[in-house]
Amino acid sequence: GAGVSQSPSNKVTEKGKDVELRCDPISGHTALYWYRQSLGQGLEFLIYFQGNSAPDKSGLPSDRFSAERTGGSVSTLTIQRTQQEDSAVYLCASSLVYGQRYGYTFGSGTRLTVV
Amino acid sequence: DAKTTQPNSMESNEEEPVHLPCNHSTISGTDYIHWYRQLPSQGPEYVIHGLTSNVNNRMASLAIAEDRKSSTLILHRATLRDAAVYYCILRDDGFGNEKLTFGTGTRLTIIP
Repeated sequence: GAGVSQSPSNKVTEKGKDVELRCDPISGHTALYWYRQSLGQGLEFLIYFQGNSAPDKSGLPSDRFSAERTGGSVSTLTIQRTQQEDSAVYLCASSLVYGQRYGYTFGSGTRLTVV
Repeated sequence: DAKTTQPNSMESNEEEPVHLPCNHSTISGTDYIHWYRQLPSQGPEYVIHGLTSNVNNRMASLAIAEDRKSSTLILHRATLRDAAVYYCILRDDGFGNEKLTFGTGTRLTIIP
């Protein structure tokens, strides 16, 4: 597609439930990144993928968070047993190739609210 | 990543040029200077990046000091739609260093 697509755009879930957030990167972009942004806060790195592998998972806040990417394309971020502090906007970005010379294209995010 | 320092906020009048400064005194030779902006309720948007030479694109210009310890993002004619938080980020060109680390940025307000 023309841009990075994220779904759903909004998600309200009850505390303790599992949620899955989806990211469709720009076609041909090999690098994919997940960030989150809590209300009024800066962006927090979670994880990135090069192809289907995730060399850096250091930003995942707990073992309730996991992510996968299949076919070098779509990625899913899963949060198990959601807590209220998980409420945030989850942003996905993709980049043409691995490396720092290229800009990242971000999606519009998924706003997750845990009640 | 090397650290950048930006003013917390700036104001500019509509239709006038805006110069957004960024200090990065500890920049290394392989660090690229990236600028992103985040409009309200949207994800960050890539603006421009450069290494040593000044860069121009349809959105903005990037002026890099000769010693590379500072840079300035230039919006040539600000519009209300340019009101956003602007982030200056250094990115090491080496492999294995993928995280884009966002600081607090500069909140730009455009005055009609």
